[in-house]
Amino acid sequence: QQQVKQSPQSLIVQKGGISIINCAYENTAFDYFPWYQQFPGKGPALLIAIRPDVSEKKEGRFTISFNKSAKQFSLHIMDSQPGDSATYFCAASRDQGGKLIFGQGTELSVKP
Amino acid sequence: DAGVTQSPTHLIKTRGQQVTLRCSPKSGHDTVSWYQQALGQGPQFIFQYYEEEERQRGNFPDRFSGHQFPNYSSELNVNALLLGDSALYLCASSERGFGSGNTIYFGEGSWLTVV
Repeated sequence: QQQVKQSPQSLIVQKGGISIINCAYENTAFDYFPWYQQFPGKGPALLIAIRPDVSEKKEGRFTISFNKSAKQFSLHIMDSQPGDSATYFCAASRDQGGKLIFGQGTELSVKP
Repeated sequence: DAGVTQSPTHLIKTRGQQVTLRCSPKSGHDTVSWYQQALGQGPQFIFQYYEEEERQRGNFPDRFSGHQFPNYSSELNVNALLLGDSALYLCASSERGFGSGNTIYFGEGSWLTVV
């Protein structure tokens, strides 16, 4: 019940295309869903986050879509750029102190 | 404004040895968590410190211990190192002790190799 499942494991997108990464969770007590971006040799950096009281949140080219009934959420990267090439992690936490449960990660490669 | 800083950045230890990793949280943050990230995996929660006490712990053995100091900085200690402890150890900080949704910032990590 503590797992967050992420797919796909790797993704190749052409420059200008849309990158879509999906996550699913089981624990309905989760109430905070962030996405982190990690470049090789670096720590994860918060990209965008959503709470379950909204179905969508957009920040620039990045959008989170959230489906509470299906217990799924996804990251959409519009107009993908080579500089977006990185590993993306979804995560979830309960309202008990911010312990994050991470997905397995998606390695995104944007081809010029 | 300095973010989360960790030291050392890289280290190599021999199986059976002990290691101490250090973390200074982002300015204004009082809560520190530690995560272990194996190669090709997502970070795994080790434990969290707030007000100098361990508040939450993940599924890690007692060989993993920590400490938080009055200035909110923290140490992660691992005893009796195993080859499987080789990983990137990430420190994360946030602004309040409890309540999800507080933005959690990660450091660059400490790469530990056990040989």
